[in-house]
Amino acid sequence: RKEVEQDPGPFNVPEGATVAFNCTYSNSASQSFFWYRQDCRKEPKLLMSVYSSGNEDGRFTAQLNRASQYISLLIRDSKLSDSATYLCVVNRLASSYKLIFGSGTRLLVRP
Amino acid sequence: EAGVAQSPRYKIIEKRQSVAFWCNPISGHATLYWYQQILGQGPKLLIQFQNNGVVDDSQLPKDRFSAERLKGVDSTLKIQPAKLEDSAVYLCASSSLGTGTDTGELFFGEGSRLTVL
Repeated sequence: RKEVEQDPGPFNVPEGATVAFNCTYSNSASQSFFWYRQDCRKEPKLLMSVYSSGNEDGRFTAQLNRASQYISLLIRDSKLSDSATYLCVVNRLASSYKLIFGSGTRLLVRP
Repeated sequence: EAGVAQSPRYKIIEKRQSVAFWCNPISGHATLYWYQQILGQGPKLLIQFQNNGVVDDSQLPKDRFSAERLKGVDSTLKIQPAKLEDSAVYLCASSSLGTGTDTGELFFGEGSRLTVL
């Protein structure tokens, strides 16, 4: 079983749609969680950190469920520019800062 | 502020040849990472340095891959001899982890795309 698992997609949605991605992680000792965005043939960039109480940044909302060991990302009012791969990232161990990336979920927003 | 610099951007070699990639992290960042990203997959950590010491190299294929960060600044990743399955993008990243100003964010370079024929 992979340490961080994501649905690869692609999710193909119209502009203005709401779309949600889930990610599960296997190590219960994981402490830090992030969503990174990667555009085609570009490097990953931090989209947002994920906090225990959930957090929002504009159209993006991240949630963490420690009991079930999953993380979610909700995108409201999708824009064409949201088309990218979204990578779920987990800190593997509490004592050492080693970030483990999921395989990513691809989002395509169509006009 | 200058970002993470990597070179070369592209490299094509034949199997069994050798290749080296160079990375210069963001100034002041103590921690440097090399990731391998195969097409359709997420980045896989190869090696993590803090200053000039290795924190984690558990997934580095040490029979063919080596990396160094001699002065705690820039780093080199070498593959010798290369195999077909080494075709990937090699991403270097840095973070301020270990400097007291850590935000948890990794800053990536544009990557070095390797094709092994």
